[in-house]
Amino acid sequence: NAGVTQTPKFQVLKTGQSMTLQCAQDMNHNSMYWYRQDPGMGLRLIYYSASEGTTDKGEVPNGYNVSRLNKREFSLRLESAAPSQTSVYFCASSDGYREQETQYFGPGTRLLVL
Amino acid sequence: AQKITQTQPGMFVQEKEAVTLDCTYDTSDPSYGLFWYKQPSSGEMIFLIYQGSYDQQNATEGRYSLNFQKARKSANLVISASQLGDSAMYFCAMREWYNQGGKLIFGQGTELSVKP
Repeated sequence: NAGVTQTPKFQVLKTGQSMTLQCAQDMNHNSMYWYRQDPGMGLRLIYYSASEGTTDKGEVPNGYNVSRLNKREFSLRLESAAPSQTSVYFCASSDGYREQETQYFGPGTRLLVL
Repeated sequence: AQKITQTQPGMFVQEKEAVTLDCTYDTSDPSYGLFWYKQPSSGEMIFLIYQGSYDQQNATEGRYSLNFQKARKSANLVISASQLGDSAMYFCAMREWYNQGGKLIFGQGTELSVKP
């Protein structure tokens, strides 16, 4: 039982390049999330998927797209990377989206955009 | 306005002593959940403890307890018998019922250093 896994662990991109961050969970959770964490700050929600087949914008969606490939997988795509997207990206999942549902996080992906 | 406020950027505690990390929150939603996460230097986010707004008793999980004072809108984390491995960033977070999608709103964190 691996929980939430993310690939890659670390990536360096040049401005304008594209990439996809992968996330998978094996807890049979319905809801999945992508957050970013910038230095000295807590996490901010980029996109979320309340259930398979649905996605919605979070607090900071500009410059990103997502795909909920199936119940297990939720990917985050940067179409044209910018230095402002240098951050640590966390994927999370929860059984549901009610206020009492705990979110469990992956190990994070460190992204550096030059 | 900040929804989650952690006023202590950094804290020190002696090993084996107890420490309280402060968290205040702002919401008009009657139903919400409060969470604490630990982020060690390795970077992962580890869930520690949960408190629901309707819970009558303070939550406890091993050495972690949550001092929930609803009228004051505070949800302080108490770590008893601190260990060196407790050195990490600690984040308080809130989830509101009306907030579709269940977004977690995070505070800015408190860095805890445990001294031997």
